[in-house]
Formats: sequence, structure tokens, C-alpha cells
Amino acid sequence: DTGVSQDPRHKITKRGQNVTFRCDPISEHNRLYWYRQTLGQGPEFLTYFQNEAQLEKSRLLSDRFSAERPKGSFSTLEIQRTEQGDSAMYLCASSLGSSEIYGYTFGSGTRLTVV
Amino acid sequence: RKEVEQDPGPFNVPEGATVAFNCTYSNSASQSFFWYRQDCRKEPKLLMSVYSSGNEDGRFTAQLNRASQYISLLIRDSKLSDSATYLCVVNVAGNMLTFGGGTRLMVKP
Repeated sequence: DTGVSQDPRHKITKRGQNVTFRCDPISEHNRLYWYRQTLGQGPEFLTYFQNEAQLEKSRLLSDRFSAERPKGSFSTLEIQRTEQGDSAMYLCASSLGSSEIYGYTFGSGTRLTVV
Repeated sequence: RKEVEQDPGPFNVPEGATVAFNCTYSNSASQSFFWYRQDCRKEPKLLMSVYSSGNEDGRFTAQLNRASQYISLLIRDSKLSDSATYLCVVNVAGNMLTFGGGTRLMVKP
């Protein structure tokens, strides 16, 4: 598989529970991004890794959110104490080198529903 | 003011029509521009980059106007399969891309 892979595709959770999503980027891509998209809106930037280093975080990423990329390959995004407002599509993207030149490749996303 | 703004539409056009979307961006120092296409409940996919001199890919033409800080996408001879949301994307700052809210296009038979 040469694309960006995200797991799970769908997640339904009760308010207050913790959830974790996984992203496997394209193997040679050193940059990995997490975005969140709600219905009718464009994707909003959450955080960005270059290899294992988390280089940028949006102010949208509250204390309940944490992301890791421990070995510079796959990444996880954890949301603690989920709230209904966390319901969204969580998109992972990767790029080789300068995304500002080549753009990103997105995964299919994880759709989170908090009930 | 949003960093990247688009008219949400929807634009309803008949097959074969020509349709154009504009997008404005706030940071005059932005260097990279793209159009992405997103089908319903799917991930965004890169449609085309936008170069300073303008560029064309088949029925699609993208243009950049730095003085007025907008980019445009022109679709000629619209097909039913062009129905989607078109996202304007700008490298506003740093190493990440900023997305507009998208413009929805519906092509009718």
C-alpha cells in the first residue's frame, strides 16, 4: 500500500472517554500533519511533525489533545475526555520535503462521533 | 478576516458550462498555492498547483493575482463528475498549508 493509511475509519465514543487514532504515512515521507474537518468547513491544521519532532501545534490543539510520532514513522493522535464538539473528521497527511512546493497526500480520515 | 476565503456556493451549472471560482488570501508573503478537490465524505485530493504565470491542466486553468491576493480556478466544459467541493489552499506561514472553506460545485445534466 503506497498511500496514507488511517485507522480506524469510524469511531463512536461516549462523552468523557479517551480515543486514539493512528496514521501511517507514505513510507518515504518525512513530514506528517494532522487536520480536523467539520461538516461544511475546510480542514483546520492541528499539528505537524518532521520525522519524530513535533514542530508546530495549533491553538486548536487543547490540553486534551496529544500527538506523537515516536520513531518518525507512524503517528498517533489521542483525545482525552472527549466532548461533543470533538466530533469531526480527523485527517492525516504526509509530504516528502517541502509541502509548500508539492502539497500533501491525505489519508481517508477517521470520522469521530461523540455521543 | 479569515486567512483563506472562498464563496461556499453551491454553484449549480449545466453540463458543458464554464465555471470559475475565486479565492482570496490574507498574507501577501504567501508563496505556494493549490486547488484541492474533495468528494462527499472523502479526503481532499490535490487537483493542481497554481503557478505565478498561470497554468492549465486539460479543462482546468488556475491563475494567481498577487497584487489583489486572489487565485482562481476555471473549469471548462463541465462534466457531471466535476461535482465536488473545491478547496483553495495557501501556504500562509510556516511549513503547513491553510485551507479555505471550500466551494461546492453541482453539475446538472
